[in-house]
Amino acid sequence: DTGVSQDPRHKITKRGQNVTFRCDPISEHNRLYWYRQTLGQGPEFLTYFQNEAQLEKSRLLSDRFSAERPKGSFSTLEIQRTEQGDSAMYLCASSDRLPGGLYGYTFGSGTRLTVV
Amino acid sequence: ELKVEQNPLFLSMQEGKNYTIYCNYSTTSDRLYWYRQDPGKSLESLFVLLSNGAVKQEGRLMASLDTKARLSTLHITAAVHDLSATYFCAVDNWTSGSRLTFGEGTQLTVNP
Repeated sequence: DTGVSQDPRHKITKRGQNVTFRCDPISEHNRLYWYRQTLGQGPEFLTYFQNEAQLEKSRLLSDRFSAERPKGSFSTLEIQRTEQGDSAMYLCASSDRLPGGLYGYTFGSGTRLTVV
Repeated sequence: ELKVEQNPLFLSMQEGKNYTIYCNYSTTSDRLYWYRQDPGKSLESLFVLLSNGAVKQEGRLMASLDTKARLSTLHITAAVHDLSATYFCAVDNWTSGSRLTFGEGTQLTVNP
């Protein structure tokens, strides 16, 4: 397993278009997270899944955003009617419980979205 | 709401010098994480601190945790240019749904 994979690495889109990103987590990890990071800021939580169930969504996740993890494996994040304020790095992470109750989080390389 | 604050936000230091980055968090946390991020790259895990008084060291970096003060420090010893990056601390706990809340990051520049 090569870690968390995200596709595409970069996406440039025109305002108003829809975009979809994909995340493939580490195969044995049952939790998957989406974060958004804007320039000069720390990552902000968007949503997370335990297997196929979406357990929490941030207030940041407006109704233009939707995330799925249909079979508890890969996940997609779709942004509809993109706005310039959506320009950011979208990071995916997966985690699993380790011995001692520790959660280890592994981040993907991210998808950088630019809305023009 | 769990809040995480780092200081300083920007740090410029000379090679060979020592410095400390501070991370304060607002509510009880189960775990404290430190990450490194190079420009345009993703997050690289450095340390995970679980308990009060925990100290971990890797090379020129040492992290510690004081849960009573809700404070973690990342100490840099004899800095080298390769340490130039942005460093984030993050915390998680069961009441926040076991997901990470990040600080704003400390942008470290080590000058020759």
